[in-house]
Amino acid sequence: GNSVTQMEGPVTLSEEAFLTINCTYTATGYPSLFWYVQYPGEGLQLLLKATKADDKGSNKGFEATYRKETTSFHLEKGSVQVSDSAVYFCALSASGGSYIPTFGRGTSLIVHP
Amino acid sequence: SQTIHQWPATLVQPVGSPLSLECTVEGTSNPNLYWYRQAAGRGLQLLFYSVGIGQISSEVPQNLSASRPQDRQFILSSKKLLLSDSGFYLCAWTVTGQVSYGYTFGSGTRLTVV
Repeated sequence: GNSVTQMEGPVTLSEEAFLTINCTYTATGYPSLFWYVQYPGEGLQLLLKATKADDKGSNKGFEATYRKETTSFHLEKGSVQVSDSAVYFCALSASGGSYIPTFGRGTSLIVHP
Repeated sequence: SQTIHQWPATLVQPVGSPLSLECTVEGTSNPNLYWYRQAAGRGLQLLFYSVGIGQISSEVPQNLSASRPQDRQFILSSKKLLLSDSGFYLCAWTVTGQVSYGYTFGSGTRLTVV
């Protein structure tokens, strides 16, 4: 079956530090890959996505590249802000199975001023 | 544009009482619909999904049930709540047959069973 593994948190950084949150996956076929962000007390929001190998998704300064050879989709940001503090979920979606997405367990990011 | 509405936002219910959470989607037709639960500090647990009216699949045996009486309406219910039903409930939808579309989530319902 499909699975997503992401690094455990919390990840604690100072403002303007570089962020990497690792995500690796296993899937049959050619999945689409996503990063979602969840701010405290809210639902998940789509942050970025990539639908085929070597695609780079980007949004709000965050980036992730679909690496089929390493089955990875690591999330990066060059300079984090306090407002980036949230929980980040890596996810994949593949055809079949009523398109049930597979989510990682989430990584909490805490950014200090 | 498509929107998803979920209510209520917060709910405090006594043990043994019934539950009804509602989710509606606007601006699309025949969506795939999902109910998730998120325990404090934990990941997402898929509870139910639906690919059409009256078609419900359960992922986890539990005290809850789901119904889809209309194309864009998804309801989560319980006849008698347990303390373990407390959590953050999220509804989500996606376009049927579109792997790359992604999933849109509602704002969630915080349920506390006391």
